[in-house]
Amino acid sequence: EPEVTQTPSHQVTQMGQEVILRCVPISNHLYFYWYRQILGQKVEFLVSFYNNEISEKSEIFDDQFSVERPDGSNFTLKIRSTKLEDSAMYFCASTGLAGRNTQYFGPGTRLTVL
Amino acid sequence: SQQGEEDPQALSIQEGENATMNCSYKTSINNLQWYRQNSGRGLVHLILIRSNEREKHSGRLRVTLDTSKKSSSLLITASRAADTASYFCATDGSSNTGKLIFGQGTTLQVKP
Repeated sequence: EPEVTQTPSHQVTQMGQEVILRCVPISNHLYFYWYRQILGQKVEFLVSFYNNEISEKSEIFDDQFSVERPDGSNFTLKIRSTKLEDSAMYFCASTGLAGRNTQYFGPGTRLTVL
Repeated sequence: SQQGEEDPQALSIQEGENATMNCSYKTSINNLQWYRQNSGRGLVHLILIRSNEREKHSGRLRVTLDTSKKSSSLLITASRAADTASYFCATDGSSNTGKLIFGQGTTLQVKP
């Protein structure tokens, strides 16, 4: 069964460093998302991406964040200068039809900022 | 802003019993989805119910949706210890981008 994959599973970085989180969505999906979950809290929407551009972003998704689909398979989230409060689990998700179909999530990348 | 809120926040039952979790939301939706999350792990999709559906079944899961009350319930019948996890409802808030708004979740413990 197709699945969303994410790498790395765990990333440890120093405050102020740049990190890139990688995702491979399900191959025939067209809509891509990033969410985050701070430990013990609920899952929060960060950004949605369709047709090679951001379609919606939350207040959390400030200028420090960017997303890219550099080729036909990868979908990346970059945090330019990490802060302690960026420590969280980051989930990538994809769906074939926004608002209609199931959104499938990857296993997540645990980001720890020291 | 829209929020999904689950009730109860925590639930502890014996294996074999049924578990019912409720979710409320605030805005109109296209659909509502339930997810399971084992501790520290990813989100596993359980079931999607569309706004024009009232009830849906999948194995031991039964989901209801009442759009007039803006609420949904997830029933797990004949629970097993392996059902121990956190359960989240997520709504799309009629967003044309499909973004999901998650509730706080219900932590279910099934004792063997």
